[in-house]
Amino acid sequence: EMQLVESGGGLVQPGGSRRLSCAASGFSFTEYSMAWVRQVPGRGLEWISYIGTSSTIIHYADSVKGRFTVSRDNGKNSLFLQMNSLRAADTAVYYCAREVHHYADYGLARYFYFYMDLWGKGTSVTVSS
Amino acid sequence: DIQMTQSPSSLSASVGDRVTLTCRASQSISNYLNWYQQKPGKAPTVLIYAASTLQSGVPSRFSGSGSGTQFTLTITNVQPGDFATYYCQQTYYDHRSTFGQGTLLEIK
Repeated sequence: EMQLVESGGGLVQPGGSRRLSCAASGFSFTEYSMAWVRQVPGRGLEWISYIGTSSTIIHYADSVKGRFTVSRDNGKNSLFLQMNSLRAADTAVYYCAREVHHYADYGLARYFYFYMDLWGKGTSVTVSS
Repeated sequence: DIQMTQSPSSLSASVGDRVTLTCRASQSISNYLNWYQQKPGKAPTVLIYAASTLQSGVPSRFSGSGSGTQFTLTITNVQPGDFATYYCQQTYYDHRSTFGQGTLLEIK
């Protein structure tokens, strides 16, 4: 069974740090790009980070840029999110998600689409004193 | 940044109804638009990608349409398991995306 399992959440003080992990199983982790998406309780979804298969391409949302660092260990089928300088606004459930790529050819043009097709159950981070 | 606005924020329907949810982008995103369903306490699941392509395994009562800045998700013959929150996601920029704020579909 394909699955993603997040861990590392908990209570952290403002200004503190936390490292989240995501363990992948049941599929070839090295073949997939990955993303982190968070959700404030009772609110919507916020994409926060992307990492390519070989870690050479990485993106962050402006809300976390400079404070969060995404990484992966393909040998251990694991994805990580190092969160520093945490704020109350970072309180959320953090999901890791597998990104699927789809290409469509229309005439001479090739279009690239992506979406998240496999999600973990999430790990909760609370930033509070 | 591209902002995504969903309407309505909540919607009441009965089993068997046909409902239409709307998602609007702050700029043209062609058809780089996905739809997800999320049930309480669960992770989202993808329904539709590229605005109108049904993800494998998703019932055909779900359909998506639109291009540019206006998109719709239509559910025909709503079933009990369809009551959930629905999110649109723009994927116009490679690997970077934003979600709408969601539409809650409730039982009338």
